[in-house]
Amino acid sequence: QKEVEQNSGPLSVPEGAIASLNCTYSDRGSQSFFWYRQYSGKSPELIMFIYSNGDKEDGRFTAQLNKASQYVSLLIRDSQPSDSATYLCAAEMNRDDKIIFGKGTRLHILP
Amino acid sequence: GAVVSQHPSWVICKSGTSVKIECRSLDFQATTMFWYRQFPKQSLMLMATSNEGSKATYEQGVEKDKFLINHASLTLSTLTVTSAHPEDSSFYICSAPPSGAKNYNEQFFGPGTRLTVL
Repeated sequence: QKEVEQNSGPLSVPEGAIASLNCTYSDRGSQSFFWYRQYSGKSPELIMFIYSNGDKEDGRFTAQLNKASQYVSLLIRDSQPSDSATYLCAAEMNRDDKIIFGKGTRLHILP
Repeated sequence: GAVVSQHPSWVICKSGTSVKIECRSLDFQATTMFWYRQFPKQSLMLMATSNEGSKATYEQGVEKDKFLINHASLTLSTLTVTSAHPEDSSFYICSAPPSGAKNYNEQFFGPGTRLTVL
């Protein structure tokens, strides 16, 4: 069973601090990884995608990928109350050409 | 950026009736569209892949006769939930990559349709 695992949270982080979200995946053949943000009652929106081992930075967001450990993370610097949402990790199953989503981590930024 | 719309945004229906949900790509063509279902506090689960001009591909465990998909044009896919029951109540989301897109990072999600079956 191909899975993407996330801690459901909630993860509470003070405003201005760094929020760290983690995700593991079971299929070693996965090539592409995505972080989506989903507000309650809304559809997901893409925050970051990463294909290569290492870090990828975009503004306040940094995605980290470690294929050897099958681990993906998302760091949010200078957290803002508007960052409070559920963050979904997703992995593209290369052989099946599908995306598998994790259950998401609820993030609360405390003002 | 590219926009995907869904209609209706929320529908309430009686048990046993059928409900049609539309997914439209507004400013691009999509030969493929994906239909997901999301229960509260759960992950998005891929239900089926809708292919323009051909039959949809359903995921294991999804009843093709219950969830009818029609992708009649390059900008429209419909999902019909037939003989809906309360357990079908969920958030249905479609997504579409522009035709020719090779990576999932190019797919765009619709705003979702909340289905409540009484």
